[in-house]
Amino acid sequence: TQLLEQSPQFLSIQEGENLTVYCNSSSVFSSLQWYRQEPGEGPVLLVTVVTGGEVKKLKRLTFQFGDARKDSSLHITAAQPGDTGLYLCAGALTGANNLFFGTGTRLTVIP
Amino acid sequence: EPEVTQTPSHQVTQMGQEVILRCVPISNHLYFYWYRQILGQKVEFLVSFYNNEISEKSEIFDDQFSVERPDGSNFTLKIRSTKLEDSAMYFCASSRQGANTEAFFGQGTRLTVV
Repeated sequence: TQLLEQSPQFLSIQEGENLTVYCNSSSVFSSLQWYRQEPGEGPVLLVTVVTGGEVKKLKRLTFQFGDARKDSSLHITAAQPGDTGLYLCAGALTGANNLFFGTGTRLTVIP
Repeated sequence: EPEVTQTPSHQVTQMGQEVILRCVPISNHLYFYWYRQILGQKVEFLVSFYNNEISEKSEIFDDQFSVERPDGSNFTLKIRSTKLEDSAMYFCASSRQGANTEAFFGQGTRLTVV
């Protein structure tokens, strides 16, 4: 069983469309991080959320942490080809010193 | 901008050989990590290191694996006797105050065991 499930696994959309990626778990996390990973490279941190219900914005990207701190979402407005990549959520359990990574969402934005 | 650096970028080794993967974490960070990612699979935690000792390790991190901080800047992962299934991308990461703070990842070392 996966601790963190992401959906959808694959997403292909046209430039200018909006999209939402979901990260769900039955576990409560003390924090959750979103990363973007390019082929052959390491994950690059986008944002960290720590408070239930927290919303953070990074230009056209909006991240939300669920009230119960079990889930999170990433919403991209007016997607651009440069947004193409693998998006990963990763959660830290209370008292643990490691991150559990989600299964990933591979986004393709078609010009 | 400070970054985590890893060497080598690629390593090919014969099964049964020892390999050492090297990492230079961000200088003011206190927590260090190794993760691996088998091709097409998710990123998996191996080990975390704080205050010169292992703070957590996963089931993957068995007796074949060890970590060391030999000096004030380097952080190494040693695999004593490599197996074919050790082939993966290995990522080093560091954070200032543990897993609840931002973890910054290196570019990775692609290990191929033949």
